[in-house]
Amino acid sequence: EIVMTQSPATLSVSPGERATLSCRASQSVSSNLAWYQQKPGQAPRLLIYGASTRATGIPARFSGSGSGTEFTLTISSLQSEDFAVYYCQQYNNWPPDTFGQGTKLEIK
Amino acid sequence: QVQLQESGPGLVKPSQTLSLTCTVSGGSISSGGYYWSWIRQHPGKGLEWIGYIYYSGSTYYNPSLKSRVTISVDTSKNQFSLKLSSVTAADTAVYYCARARYFDLWGRGTLVTVSS
Repeated sequence: EIVMTQSPATLSVSPGERATLSCRASQSVSSNLAWYQQKPGQAPRLLIYGASTRATGIPARFSGSGSGTEFTLTISSLQSEDFAVYYCQQYNNWPPDTFGQGTKLEIK
Repeated sequence: QVQLQESGPGLVKPSQTLSLTCTVSGGSISSGGYYWSWIRQHPGKGLEWIGYIYYSGSTYYNPSLKSRVTISVDTSKNQFSLKLSSVTAADTAVYYCARARYFDLWGRGTLVTVSS
């Protein structure tokens, strides 16, 4: 099973600033990596798939990069609605698909 | 647009079988190209993939749950279902159905509590 490790666990950033979230895979997952945003009481929402392709309707301030074992989600200028928990997920080596433990993005 | 909706009991007794159904609306589950999935989230915790089914009936399960999980599909009703047997309190979670392989569409989720 591939283990996905996200860092940091909590990230405090001010609105308007840039946020950089990291996700590391225990072995290569090629570019088969997705990012999700989850707000309290809601289902996760797909942000990025294929490591760098934005899902439909996702603002351009969200960008993904990386391949192999190291991945980054960048939010270029944080809006109030971006404060949430973010998860990465690999879908390369399955079963099982595996998720990271999440990064909580909070207002500084 | 395609929407997913989970349904089923919110309370299950220990040792019994948890049964949930996901109804797909706005599109056909048989159209191909997608896997249909169950994912759960323990209270305050992260996401755990349970398994997939393809419209043809092919299934893939998380090895950690494989001995207790059955996912089935009813294309005539445009539904797929989850059965998890021999549940314990550790199976208390919000259960989501989702369209895969990356999960681009999700149901709202349903909380299932295992308690006597």
